Formats: sequence, structure tokens, C-alpha cells
Amino acid sequence: GAGVSQSPSNKVTEKGKDVELRCDPISGHTALYWYRQSLGQGLEFLIYFQGNSAPDKSGLPSDRFSAERTGGSVSTLTIQRTQQEDSAVYLCASSRGGDRTYEQYFGPGTRLTVT
Amino acid sequence: RKEVEQDPGPFNVPEGATVAFNCTYSNSASQSFFWYRQDCRKEPKLLMSVYSSGNEDGRFTAQLNRASQYISLLIRDSKLSDSATYLCVVNGGNSGYALNFGKGTSLLVTP
Repeated sequence: GAGVSQSPSNKVTEKGKDVELRCDPISGHTALYWYRQSLGQGLEFLIYFQGNSAPDKSGLPSDRFSAERTGGSVSTLTIQRTQQEDSAVYLCASSRGGDRTYEQYFGPGTRLTVT
Repeated sequence: RKEVEQDPGPFNVPEGATVAFNCTYSNSASQSFFWYRQDCRKEPKLLMSVYSSGNEDGRFTAQLNRASQYISLLIRDSKLSDSATYLCVVNGGNSGYALNFGKGTSLLVTP
């Protein structure tokens, strides 16, 4: 079946511009995560959605970052007024939730470059 | 202090060797532990969960020591295809469902 898809695969933007990154989770997966991975760094948790519950936003690095998940499916991560330090690969993952929450399936990521 | 710490390596081992990776975590309230594998410029993939009593999956054995907040992964009879970065992962965050990833340990298995 189809895996997690993300778009765009690459995004180059100028400092100060806003960007939107999209994630389509696996159909039927109720849990959705956003991470980012900077060059040579580990994955950094950003935000977690589970069904209709309030998201866990504890990983968002600043108020320039926000995410939403519409209809319990597609999610968009928005970065406002991008900075050079926002350059990273942004990864989305989904899982079935419940006792399978941690079995996460990752998308291929969006490589964001802020110039 | 980082949530999850790992020796970055690289570990260079010959085919057939046994290799072990270790990881420590800082949050004593963490309840769930995993090893993920990430190939170069690819997304991470779940390798195995780590249970309190230790668990084995083929050539892979995972151990957890809650008192020392320490997790290990043992790979026996290494294959060339085992070459990858191994990520130690521990739950955390406000919801308890966030995952904290270590930076990973790089393994290169050589012929």
C-alpha cells in the first residue's frame, strides 16, 4: 500500500519568507508526527497529533512554527519568517495509534534550504 | 544534558563479527524504548522495540537497564547490509507520545 508522502521533496526559500510543508499519512493511521533533522544531528521532535486530541506541541522551537491536521488526515507544517537555522530535512511519520503508536512509518522528508 | 546519548562511532567491523551499541537516556519517567535504523539519506525505520526483560529478533538482541537508564543493541553475525546508522529512541514530551531520538551510531560492515 501507499506509504507516507511529503511535498515538496525540496524547497529553497529566501530568509524571511513563509513556507508550508505537507504530509499525507498512511490511510487509517491516527497518529502523526513532525520531526526535523539538521545536517549531522539527530531527529528533533516537533509536534504530535493523535485523532481529535489536542496536539503535543512541546517540540516546536519557536512561535514561528505551527502545524495543523485537517480531518484527521493531511497535515501541514508552516514556518513563518524563515531563518537560515531552519534549514533541515523535515520528516513526517504516522502510526496506527494505541499500542502501535511507536511503530512509526516515515515519509521521505522535505529538504528545506533557507538562503 | 541531551535526552538520549549515543556513541556516534563509526564502528567498522568485518562481516560475521558481533557488535554492540549502547545508549543512555535522561528521563527516568520514560516507558518506551526502541531502536530505529537509518540508511544514508533515507528515512528512519523501526528495527525493534526494547522490552524490560530484554528481547531478541533474529541476529539482533536488545537490552534495557532501567536503574542505569541504559539501552543496548547487539548484532551477531554482521552482514554487509547491516551497514547503517542505528538510532536509540525513547518516549518523552508532554503527552508521553513524543519520541526523542539519539544522534545515532554509525556502523560499517566490511567484506
